[in-house]
Amino acid sequence: SQQGEEDPQALSIQEGENATMNCSYKTSINNLQWYRQNSGRGLVHLILIRSNEREKHSGRLRVTLDTSKKSSSLLITASRAADTASYFCATDPSGGSNYKLTFGKGTLLTVNP
Amino acid sequence: SAVISQKPSRDICQRGTSLTIQCQVDSQVTMMFWYRQQPGQSLTLIATANQGSEATYESGFVIDKFPISRPNLTFSTLTVSNMSPEDSSIYLCSVRTGLGEQYFGPGTRLTVT
Repeated sequence: SQQGEEDPQALSIQEGENATMNCSYKTSINNLQWYRQNSGRGLVHLILIRSNEREKHSGRLRVTLDTSKKSSSLLITASRAADTASYFCATDPSGGSNYKLTFGKGTLLTVNP
Repeated sequence: SAVISQKPSRDICQRGTSLTIQCQVDSQVTMMFWYRQQPGQSLTLIATANQGSEATYESGFVIDKFPISRPNLTFSTLTVSNMSPEDSSIYLCSVRTGLGEQYFGPGTRLTVT
């Protein structure tokens, strides 16, 4: 079953604006990972945030994690047309030896030049 | 990180035939997975490819339809057997590093006619 659920499903912004995407999940996790997928291609790993972390940065990306609310957000600052892609969150459930990532349905981000 | 290559990158196949997809990783990894992404959908885990033993399949996926080989720690193959148009998808190989990050190959886009 799909544990992560991204919100919104689609987001359209102008170049230079910030884009925020949210992810909610249902069970306890070891970590949460964000990915980017350009049209019909492979997934690019963006950031992994562990359950004991609250915020991580990588370049123009900022990820937050709130385990009490079972939610995460991905912020892309100063967006560019090249950021146009689908963004997925994936949860790594805690407990046992289950290393199976569960993906949300993704947010389609369109950055207009 | 890990660099993953897949062959072929795309193929168009006739129904009833089979296609074998190869996945090569640039380093030895213990955990390797195969995912499917149907058009406009998120990723679904097909199976975990175990080195030296039979793959572990997820609910809804069976070995007769998706046989997997994992002869060593850097290589795996997924065969899609007796294909039907419903098998048209992107098939992605994925590996997990010791730090918990999971990386994906560029995908194989399969169209069954």
